[in-house]
Amino acid sequence: IAGITQAPTSQILAAGRRMTLRCTQDMRHNAMYWYRQDLGLGLRLIHYSNTAGTTGKGEVPDGYSVSRANTDDFPLTLASAVPSQTSVYFCASSDGGGMGDTQYFGPGTRLTVL
Amino acid sequence: GQNIDQPTEMTATEGAIVQINCTYQTSGFNGLFWYQQHAGEAPTFLSYNVLDGLEEKGRFSSFLSRSKGYSYLLLKELQMKDSASYLCAVVDSNYQLIWGAGTKLIIKP
Repeated sequence: IAGITQAPTSQILAAGRRMTLRCTQDMRHNAMYWYRQDLGLGLRLIHYSNTAGTTGKGEVPDGYSVSRANTDDFPLTLASAVPSQTSVYFCASSDGGGMGDTQYFGPGTRLTVL
Repeated sequence: GQNIDQPTEMTATEGAIVQINCTYQTSGFNGLFWYQQHAGEAPTFLSYNVLDGLEEKGRFSSFLSRSKGYSYLLLKELQMKDSASYLCAVVDSNYQLIWGAGTKLIIKP
């Protein structure tokens, strides 16, 4: 693989179900990010990780959790999905340890919560 | 609060020039990014400005005026493949990235 991959590509989920969105990068980047993108709104940061073993909350963290056990993987979990979490989710990474660096995005996961 | 303003949508003709503006009000400034996003795809990096002035990269140029809180992206010799959304994002004093909602550019033949 080259760059960032996300899985699944799309998913329809019943409200109340638990769901994990997967993100893997092979660029050995330190920092990784999860965004959601909704029509008419800018990208909104959910959670981030500046380096393996650390995570932080972004602008809209409620209802989501992340972990960063190693450099390559940064899964995003919805503990109990709600319809307002219907969105396109993008994972991104950057070489440096913060958001001042160029970010590289995965292809996105389109999630629908019914 | 922090705010980034971009026009929602613009239309231009193939072969022409278009300027997409971005104004920002943020707590401090540590750089400004432009990204391109084709429909249904991921954003991809176009340019980064941290000092005042114009940065040229092929058909695309990006300008920054920190004193005015203003940037623009200039696209020359427009091609149909330039139809996309263009996202402006500012790095604030805490090195947080603030994203604009994006400008949808429609290119007509």
